[in-house]
Amino acid sequence: QVQLVQSGAEVRKPGSSVKVSCKASGGTFSGYTVNWVRQAPGQGLEWMGRTIPFLDLASYAQKFRGRVTITADKSTNTAYMEVTSLRSEDTAVYYCARDSFCGVDCYSHFDYWGQGTLVTVSS
Amino acid sequence: EIVLTQSPATLSLSPGERAILSCRASQTINTYLTWYQQKLGQAPRLLIYDASNRAAGVPPRFSGSGSGTDFTLTISSLEPEDFAIYYCQQRSSWPPAFGQGTKLDI
Repeated sequence: QVQLVQSGAEVRKPGSSVKVSCKASGGTFSGYTVNWVRQAPGQGLEWMGRTIPFLDLASYAQKFRGRVTITADKSTNTAYMEVTSLRSEDTAVYYCARDSFCGVDCYSHFDYWGQGTLVTVSS
Repeated sequence: EIVLTQSPATLSLSPGERAILSCRASQTINTYLTWYQQKLGQAPRLLIYDASNRAAGVPPRFSGSGSGTDFTLTISSLEPEDFAIYYCQQRSSWPPAFGQGTKLDI
């Protein structure tokens, strides 16, 4: 049974950076992509971007380009999502979610999700 | 970009009743529509993929239908554990955006 295990909660000051990890246990990322979705307090789900680990490719929602970097370490089956220049509006729970690879420009449904990582941005 | 609009925003029902949730796409997405359930404090859970296919372990009281731009999630007889927020998501094109959610309330 695949589990995506994320790193713990973080508190950061405005202008700083945060890097969240997502490790697959009971499986690998081979043949899958890893997406990142965030949810601000009391708000809906927002897709941020994804990585295709076995192709070393990443793509981003327009809103996050230039400020978010998504990477993966195939050797440890761990994906990472880094946000720089943090502002208070980035306070949210960040989720990783897996979907099956169906092509570079193709998306599938997210069948496994991490437990979420709360990132709080506050001075 | 494709925009998904869910309705109603909140649906207040009682256990045993039927729930019908709607998701409308701003342009045609064939059947590339997914439904997720999210309970308070938990990660979303995959319910229905490709408009009408139940994910593994999802009870048969959940069903999905629709194609093109109009989609429906039906819960035939509500159980207490079904009260949650439901999101639709399209995978037809980049970005794979979500609807704003429907809260199913007792």
